[in-house]
Amino acid sequence: QVQLRESGPGLVKPSGTLSLICNISGDSISSTSWWGWVRQPPGKGLEWIGQRHLIGGINYNPSLESRVTLSLDRSTNQVFLYLRSVTAADTAKYYCTRDFDLWGQGTRVTVSS
Amino acid sequence: EVVLTQSPGTLSLSPGDRATLHCRASHTVPSDYLAWFQERPGQAPRLLIFGASTRASDIPDRISGSGSGTDFTLSISRLEPEDFAVYFCQQYATSPYTFGQGTRLEIK
Repeated sequence: QVQLRESGPGLVKPSGTLSLICNISGDSISSTSWWGWVRQPPGKGLEWIGQRHLIGGINYNPSLESRVTLSLDRSTNQVFLYLRSVTAADTAKYYCTRDFDLWGQGTRVTVSS
Repeated sequence: EVVLTQSPGTLSLSPGDRATLHCRASHTVPSDYLAWFQERPGQAPRLLIFGASTRASDIPDRISGSGSGTDFTLSISRLEPEDFAVYFCQQYATSPYTFGQGTRLEIK
């Protein structure tokens, strides 16, 4: 059974970098899938952050592109999200996805001093 | 950016009823790259429909999607207790991929 599990610090200071890890079990990054991130601020809808394919490229939401980096690690089967210069507006629940057909449970991140 | 507007915001129905949820796009969604998701409290979003009308794995046939262009519909017949949740539509044809604001299906 394929599972995604997000992890990372629940609290990030303003202007800092949000760093999240998605651990993949039961599947391999070397598959044909796109691996990405989606977030949901409290009380709001879902926002696509971006996605990456091992051999096919990368797409970012233009609204975040200047601050975000997605990377994949085949050796550890992990997907990474880095979001720089965070503000309170980046407070959200962050989800890891595979082709949008499989999602992790999500991890809450609060940006606050 | 393709803006997706879902209606109604909240739908109050009883178990056994039929639910009809709508998703309207600000621009044509090419190749019907439109998906529907269910979100229950404390759970990961679950893909229900992709390609506007194709059910994802293990989705019962009482859940169906239809529509094309700018108007899409999710129908759920014979509502069961586990169907009462929030539903989102998403277009994945044009970057940035965007989601609707959601429809809350609640028990009447």
